[in-house]
Amino acid sequence: EAGVAQSPRYKIIEKRQSVAFWCNPISGHATLYWYQQILGQGPKLLIQFQNNGVVDDSQLPKDRFSAERLKGVDSTLKIQPAKLEDSAVYLCASSQNTGELFFGEGSRLTVL
Amino acid sequence: GENVEQHPSTLSVQEGDSAVIKCTYSDSASNYFPWYKQELGKGPQLIIDIRSNVGEKKDQRIAVTLNKTAKHFSLHITETQPEDSAVYFCAASLRENKLTFGTGTQLKVEL
Repeated sequence: EAGVAQSPRYKIIEKRQSVAFWCNPISGHATLYWYQQILGQGPKLLIQFQNNGVVDDSQLPKDRFSAERLKGVDSTLKIQPAKLEDSAVYLCASSQNTGELFFGEGSRLTVL
Repeated sequence: GENVEQHPSTLSVQEGDSAVIKCTYSDSASNYFPWYKQELGKGPQLIIDIRSNVGEKKDQRIAVTLNKTAKHFSLHITETQPEDSAVYFCAASLRENKLTFGTGTQLKVEL
């Protein structure tokens, strides 16, 4: 079974530029998550989708971050404009209803 | 909201020794406590979890214990091997799909 796919793996941009990350969850997983993992910290939930609807986006900085999951399958996370403190690994995860989250390998963002 | 503290931040053990990582949580309503292992350049992977109606769970060399009264839970790894070297995260949640993670423990198993 294919795992969670994410791209790009690495991205370097300058502050105030924009960036987009893509995620394709495990087939059949209705729930999709985006987490931000700053170096040396645990993952922090940014947004959770159930099919194509948002379940929780309380920790998403909506002035610069946006995410969508239009057809209830793959998802895109966008940052515009980026700040230095956005440097982190952006992890996508998916789950069924068993509780276990399956994570992708992440997209590492460096903002200069 | 939930707050999870994790100790130690780094742990070095000799191969074959045991390793213990401890976490405390703040929300007494939390009822699901998973542990994730993250290898370098990879995403976290679930290794074991426990629910609040159980005090202890074991899977081969790993075990987790939960003390609801004290609001803490621990991961125990016995007979450590080099491949156990990784970062381990505890997490807690009221609902299974909304996890709050600890800050992680870098475990190094030395030969």
